[in-house]
Amino acid sequence: KQEVTQIPAALSVPEGENLVLNCSFTDSAIYNLQWFRQDPGKGLTSLLLIQSSQREQTSGRLNASLDKSSGRSTLYIAASQPGDSATYLCAVGDSSASKIIFGSGTRLSIRP
Amino acid sequence: GAVVSQHPSWVICKSGTSVKIECRSLDFQATTMFWYRQFPKQSLMLMATSNEGSKATYEQGVEKDKFLINHASLTLSTLTVTSAHPEDSSFYICSALGGADIQYFGAGTRLSVL
Repeated sequence: KQEVTQIPAALSVPEGENLVLNCSFTDSAIYNLQWFRQDPGKGLTSLLLIQSSQREQTSGRLNASLDKSSGRSTLYIAASQPGDSATYLCAVGDSSASKIIFGSGTRLSIRP
Repeated sequence: GAVVSQHPSWVICKSGTSVKIECRSLDFQATTMFWYRQFPKQSLMLMATSNEGSKATYEQGVEKDKFLINHASLTLSTLTVTSAHPEDSSFYICSALGGADIQYFGAGTRLSVL
């Protein structure tokens, strides 16, 4: 059974810092891995999607990496801004992508 | 493209009543949609997989008679919470399976049962 873990559960850093959010999964036979952002009381915003054959994806100040063999993914946020404050969810798609298993999220707070 | 609309965004109801939540894929057809539930400060948990024209597949521990799912067209799935009780208060999110097997998510529905 696939399990997705995100560490840390919460993180607070001053504005301008670069930071890394971690995600680990127990079954390396994944179809894809996705990072989402969720603002309080809101739905999900997809940030980056990495297919199982890829090692990383970049979008603006965000870079996500995937190492299937070790069951790990990281989300790197450069030059953090207060507007980046949100909960970041890592989600692993199973072998058919018909089922997504979510991590418990990292609550990120960027201090001005 | 690939927009999923969920309605209503927030609903308050009395205990014992039923509530229907709609999930629509606006610019693509989705034979498969998913319903998730999220309790405060917890992650999303898959409740059921909704397949157009057939019965939904429920995850273990989810009561199919309480959470009725109908997927009558390629762009609409509905979730009805029957005889809602305060413990059903939660954030419900749907997604629709689009091209390249990517799930596109709705904005969620906050259900508060008094």
